Amino acid sequence: KQEVTQIPAALSVPEGENLVLNCSFTDSAIYNLQWFRQDPGKGLTSLLLIQSSQREQTSGRLNASLDKSSGRSTLYIAASQPGDSATYLCAVADNDMRFGAGTRLTVKP
Amino acid sequence: ETGVTQSPTHLIKTRGQQVTLRCSSQSGHNTVSWYQQALGQGPQFIFQYYREEENGRGNFPPRFSGLQFPNYSSELNVNALELDDSALYLCASSDGMPGRGSYEQYFGPGTRLTVT
Repeated sequence: KQEVTQIPAALSVPEGENLVLNCSFTDSAIYNLQWFRQDPGKGLTSLLLIQSSQREQTSGRLNASLDKSSGRSTLYIAASQPGDSATYLCAVADNDMRFGAGTRLTVKP
Repeated sequence: ETGVTQSPTHLIKTRGQQVTLRCSSQSGHNTVSWYQQALGQGPQFIFQYYREEENGRGNFPPRFSGLQFPNYSSELNVNALELDDSALYLCASSDGMPGRGSYEQYFGPGTRLTVT
């Protein structure tokens, strides 16, 4: 059974700092890995999707990497801003989609 | 804006009642999945429908049931509500075929269900 773990559970950084969020999964037989953003009480906003054959994807200040063999992904956020404050979820897709519990990010002005 | 909509936005029910949540997928999306997200946790897979048939189910009891209709809408029904059913319920649609490779799921804004 696929298990997805996200570390840290919460992170607080000053504005402007670069940061890394971590995601690990137990079964490397996945189709893709997706990173989402969730604001309090809201739905999920897709940030990046990495296919199983890819190593990384970039969108603006975000860069996500995937190492399928080691069961790890990282989400790198450059030059963080207060508007980046949210919960970040990673999810792996095999026959269904399995989510981690998320990292709650606070960026202080 | 993903084009996936859900109704209602919020709902309050009493323990033992039944509830129906609705989702409207993007046009052309034959696959819809439902998830339950308890406070402070990641979403948990409930089940998936492909072309109006259930195609996979997570670890949820039979009182959670669903329907998918030809017009790209779907329903999640929960009978005999329990306090622990209080959560955000998310639906996600896609144009992929389950079990046939990678596809992206597009999530709706969710329905917040409170059971008292």
